[in-house]
Amino acid sequence: EAQVTQNPRYLITVTGKKLTVTCSQNMNHEYMSWYRQDPGLGLRQIYYSMNVEVTDKGDVPEGYKVSRKEKRNFPLILESPSPNQTSLYFCASSLVGQDPLTNYGYTFGSGTRLTVV
Amino acid sequence: GEDVEQSLFLSVREGDSSVINCTYTDSSSTYLYWYKQEPGAGLQLLTYIFSNMDMKQDQRLTVLLNKKDKHLSLRIADTQTGDSAIYFCAETITSGTYKYIFGTGTRLKVLA
Repeated sequence: EAQVTQNPRYLITVTGKKLTVTCSQNMNHEYMSWYRQDPGLGLRQIYYSMNVEVTDKGDVPEGYKVSRKEKRNFPLILESPSPNQTSLYFCASSLVGQDPLTNYGYTFGSGTRLTVV
Repeated sequence: GEDVEQSLFLSVREGDSSVINCTYTDSSSTYLYWYKQEPGAGLQLLTYIFSNMDMKQDQRLTVLLNKKDKHLSLRIADTQTGDSAIYFCAETITSGTYKYIFGTGTRLKVLA
């Protein structure tokens, strides 16, 4: 089944304790991205990657790191989490291109609800 | 600048049609999308339209694109209680960069 797998689904951690949220896709998609979703703010992009070893900042990158060593994996790293990073996080992937007959929409993971206390 | 705007709430009666609207500012959008998010779940792609199209129909869903006014709409015919969710409009910009921009989402409530 074509999917984006995120782990864990739920995580409660303490301020300053490094954590990693994993994301893996099995569709050979070039583009991968991390978003956070907060009430009233919609989806905000944290980082994205156009391909292996190519990553770029989104709209809210502060406090986050990513890596793209393999095409299928795109982990999100919080080196020193703070309470303002409490949020619902989504990983997503898609193809890249401009063919009118091709679907370039995102496939989203199920989300990771992170609480930093 | 790049911005996608949607109204926050919409309430309709079961069996009626729902129309969710979206406006965007970047005229270089290549694709426009509608996603659905049910409670506790990720976003699911409902439909998409290429920027050189005016309309796309897929079963109960009709997407209308007015490029001149930068307006996108999603019509759901015969709305059911299972359609209650948050609907996100999004655009892809591919000139000079490759970027997705999402709206803030419209919460659709279907009344029985």
